Amino acid sequence: GAGVSQSPSNKVTEKGKDVELRCDPISGHTALYWYRQSLGQGLEFLIYFQGNSAPDKSGLPSDRFSAERTGGSVSTLTIQRTQQEDSAVYLCASSLGIGSPGNTIYFGEGSWLTVV
Amino acid sequence: AQKVTQAQTEISVVEKEDVTLDCVYETRDTTYYLFWYKQPPSGELVFLIRRNSFDEQNEISGRYSWNFQKSTSSFNFTITASQVVDSAVYFCALNNQGGKLIFGQGTELSVKP
Repeated sequence: GAGVSQSPSNKVTEKGKDVELRCDPISGHTALYWYRQSLGQGLEFLIYFQGNSAPDKSGLPSDRFSAERTGGSVSTLTIQRTQQEDSAVYLCASSLGIGSPGNTIYFGEGSWLTVV
Repeated sequence: AQKVTQAQTEISVVEKEDVTLDCVYETRDTTYYLFWYKQPPSGELVFLIRRNSFDEQNEISGRYSWNFQKSTSSFNFTITASQVVDSAVYFCALNNQGGKLIFGQGTELSVKP
């Protein structure tokens, strides 16, 4: 597609359930990023991929969070045993590559997660 | 350490006023890039501009202009003759390692008719 596509747009889940969030980057973009934005807060980096590998997982808040990317394209962010503090907008982004920091990073519309 | 500071949490102006959003950054690298993004109520982050550390020339795009000053580590954003549609949260960001953007906390701009 023309832009970064994320699904679901909105997800309400019960505490303790697992959720999967999907990101489809812009065609041809080899770098993919996940960020989290809690209500009224800034953007918190979670993880990025160059191709299928994740050189930097430093932002994942706990071992309940994991992400994978297959085929150098679609990525899935999985949150296990969700907690109420996981409620946030999860933003995915992509860029042409990580080699140059000047590559513009384009964001999707986000997946709004509410844990009740 | 890399850091981006947007000291203005909220700004409220009346339509047609000019408004400047401040951004101050910290980095030890000589090569880096600065960005501004707009986040309207719909939630999507919209790319506005990218500036590299070797290009201090100011840029104007319609009602938007950016003032990059390395001497003060600032990259300020001015909207001239603001409009209601400019109401959004604006984020300044730094990228110097090619891996991730480091964002400021954002400035929420409210333009009232």
